[in-house]
Amino acid sequence: GESVGLHLPTLSVQEGDNSIINCAYSNSASDYFIWYKQESGKGPQFIIDIRSNMDKRQGQRVTVLLNKTVKHLSLQIAATQPGDSAVYFCAENNAGGTSYGKLTFGQGTILTVHP
Amino acid sequence: DTGVSQNPRHKITKRGQNVTFRCDPISEHNRLYWYRQTLGQGPEFLTYFQNEAQLEKSRLLSDRFSAERPKGSFSTLEIQRTEQGDSAMYLCASSPGQGDGDTQYFGPGTRLTVL
Repeated sequence: GESVGLHLPTLSVQEGDNSIINCAYSNSASDYFIWYKQESGKGPQFIIDIRSNMDKRQGQRVTVLLNKTVKHLSLQIAATQPGDSAVYFCAENNAGGTSYGKLTFGQGTILTVHP
Repeated sequence: DTGVSQNPRHKITKRGQNVTFRCDPISEHNRLYWYRQTLGQGPEFLTYFQNEAQLEKSRLLSDRFSAERPKGSFSTLEIQRTEQGDSAMYLCASSPGQGDGDTQYFGPGTRLTVL
């Protein structure tokens, strides 16, 4: 049977390298974006968020970049560690619209960090 | 642990049976959300509550699904006459509900298997 859902983009890096995970979002009206990390068998874990009036936001070892012109979001992880291995999802929200409670998730990227 | 909790963590049932899941949000969070996640996909929005009011329901939420949040605290999601296609991870999230685009924090999920 079809297994499209299993063909997630993958990124393999060496421990200590920087990682960049990309996401294209669909709704030009979205004004709030979040990156989540999901480990096997667990719920998504909040990493960092950004609002549409910003183009960059930094956290601890992570940076999110937002390019509204091309509807692109990226997550940069500095000095990647084996514990960073997981599936990473971007999510968008139209906070100013009628569905401001709803997050729309992207496809997800599998990050594997090799020691 | 003051995060979002969900029970049970795993549920195996036979087709045609009814199941009910419970979600306890982070204390004092006004908004509560239900999502469904199948293998290799990002979470898909089902419904959300502002206090005890159910404000939005996805078209994914067929008439066999019902969610409640009677006292504005915990929530239940019931699936009647389960089908094999209902097999998925059911995730609950909560957010403070202050302003637009507030951060949703997820629980560990309930994995449903319908035989």
